[in-house]
Amino acid sequence: AQSVTQLDSQVPVFEEAPVELRCNYSSSVSVYLFWYVQYPNQGLQLLLKYLSGSTLVESINGFEAEFNKSQTSFHLRKPSVHISDTAEYFCAVSPARGGYQKVTFGTGTKLQVIP
Amino acid sequence: SAVISQKPSRDICQRGTSLTIQCQVDSQVTMMFWYRQQPGQSLTLIATANQGSEATYESGFVIDKFPISRPNLTFSTLTVSNMSPEDSSIYLCSVEVPGTSEAFFGQGTRLTVV
Repeated sequence: AQSVTQLDSQVPVFEEAPVELRCNYSSSVSVYLFWYVQYPNQGLQLLLKYLSGSTLVESINGFEAEFNKSQTSFHLRKPSVHISDTAEYFCAVSPARGGYQKVTFGTGTKLQVIP
Repeated sequence: SAVISQKPSRDICQRGTSLTIQCQVDSQVTMMFWYRQQPGQSLTLIATANQGSEATYESGFVIDKFPISRPNLTFSTLTVSNMSPEDSSIYLCSVEVPGTSEAFFGQGTRLTVV
């Protein structure tokens, strides 16, 4: 079994300030890790993912996340947020095996960027 | 990647009625998934739909309440039957593109039961 914990349900931050959205997971097997973003009235979009290799992964819009196996974390960071980053962010995990594996989602963190 | 179209995008329904949600994918996929996102909660997998076989339901979800059809490799429907206000949620269709380890989602159907 696996689980994902996002401790912060809401994170307000001023524009151009840095932000960190926290994600911790538990699993008895190796995992793939994901961050999805959901803009208002839209579906989920993949922001970034960790499958293997470098523990630091980046998205095209300036977000990055670091896989920390010892702390079972996959926190999402951005050094300077924009108004357009206002959205809900979901951390997710799946077993790292071939073929489809069930994805487990966290409860989400609403990022509110304040002008 | 995959582009997923869901219909309707939102609906307001009377309790006791049923609503069928459609999910169309722009490419052939083996597995399609239906999720529920209740207010303030995370996504919960309802069932996995494979073409040509019955859907596999997760614990707490039953076929009588959420019948699913999967007539071909690009289309699926989820019906929410005999609705009650507790069924008010966002329902999301999802697919996994082989070899990507990534799930793609439709924009969701926002259902309100009154």
